[in-house]
Amino acid sequence: DQQVKQNSPSLSVQEGRISILNCDYTNSMFDYFLWYKKYPAEGPTFLISISSIKDKNEDGRFTVFLNKSAKHLSLHIVPSQPGDSAVYFCAATSNSGNTPLVFGKGTRLSVIA
Amino acid sequence: DTGVSQNPRHKITKRGQNVTFRCDPISEHNRLYWYRQTLGQGPEFLTYFQNEAQLEKSRLLSDRFSAERPKGSFSTLEIQRTEQGDSAMYLCASSPEWNTEAFFGQGTRLTVV
Repeated sequence: DQQVKQNSPSLSVQEGRISILNCDYTNSMFDYFLWYKKYPAEGPTFLISISSIKDKNEDGRFTVFLNKSAKHLSLHIVPSQPGDSAVYFCAATSNSGNTPLVFGKGTRLSVIA
Repeated sequence: DTGVSQNPRHKITKRGQNVTFRCDPISEHNRLYWYRQTLGQGPEFLTYFQNEAQLEKSRLLSDRFSAERPKGSFSTLEIQRTEQGDSAMYLCASSPEWNTEAFFGQGTRLTVV
């Protein structure tokens, strides 16, 4: 029973274009969502988060959009850079802070120069 | 304090042997989490501590696994009688009590031969 789903295992984008990574969740109790980035042989690095009271959060080139009714969120990277090539994980939790993060399987982003 | 530290980075062991991993969290973080990641999967929750109290354990944590966090500082994860299926990346993360972003270490890659 996967509560957080990233249905695209991989994505390839040209440098300078927009990268859009998608994530769906099934648990209605989730109200806080995070994106992590992972390079090979390293631990995941926190990228950006969004609370369910918002529908958009922006940090530089990274923007996360949340559609609560569809239980869907997406991460936009504009413009994409070769250094963005990594595996991106979507994670969800309850903002009460008493539940651990639940992760999706990840999407491997390749930004081609 | 440069972040979450895990030791060793790599461990190769023979099936049936016991192994122990160590995690040193960010010093002011009360919460400490253990996750396991296998190829093609996202991090899967194993257990977490609030200070020295172990508050939740996943059903993934069989009775061969034990985790401790004496004095609420560093934590150890021990696997007894290792099996080939235990081969994975073991990730430790920590977070402040009032925040839900978890900061990950670089992980310990376990290979059971």
